[in-house]
Amino acid sequence: GAGVSQSPSNKVTEKGKDVELRCDPISGHTALYWYRQRLGQGLEFLIYFQGNSAPDKSGLPSDRFSAERTGESVSTLTIQRTQQEDSAVYLCASSPLSGNEQFFGPGTRLTVL
Amino acid sequence: AQSVTQLGSHVSVSEGALVLLRCNYSSSVPPYLFWYVQYPNQGLQLLLKYTSAATLVKGINGFEAEFKKSETSFHLTKPSAHMSDAAEYFCAVSDQRTGGGNKLTFGTGTQLKVEL
Repeated sequence: GAGVSQSPSNKVTEKGKDVELRCDPISGHTALYWYRQRLGQGLEFLIYFQGNSAPDKSGLPSDRFSAERTGESVSTLTIQRTQQEDSAVYLCASSPLSGNEQFFGPGTRLTVL
Repeated sequence: AQSVTQLGSHVSVSEGALVLLRCNYSSSVPPYLFWYVQYPNQGLQLLLKYTSAATLVKGINGFEAEFKKSETSFHLTKPSAHMSDAAEYFCAVSDQRTGGGNKLTFGTGTQLKVEL
């Protein structure tokens, strides 16, 4: 079956611009996660959605970052007024309600010039 | 709070040699532990996971890991390295909650190089 998909695969933007990243989770997966992977570092948790519950935003690094998810479908991560330190690969993952394994998408590589 | 330490950001082995990638964790609650592999320009793929059943866990591609509570370790091993094993490996921990919500805390990764 289809896995987690993300778009765009690559995004180059100028400092100060807003960007929007998209994640399509595996159908039926109730949980959705966003992580950030900076060059040479591990993954940092950003935000987590579970069904219609309030999202866990504890990992968002600043108020320039926000994310939305409609029901149990697509999620968008928005970064406003991008900075060079936002350059990273942004990974999305989803998991089923009863499972503990997260299935990752291929990521979006964001470059802020 | 949870944390993961992966000793050795780069490991190089000869083809056919033993692979040992080290992972130590810190967790105030019983953990779930995971090893993921990332090939160039790809997302993360689960290799194996420990979820409080057997302490010796077997995964895909001949990898296995042993959960040692006394040592707070979850080292990844493979008896004989293959060229196709060259990739970056991440150890991760989450707490044992049901119903999802298992946000993962990752180590900084170990790049495995396999030489002829």
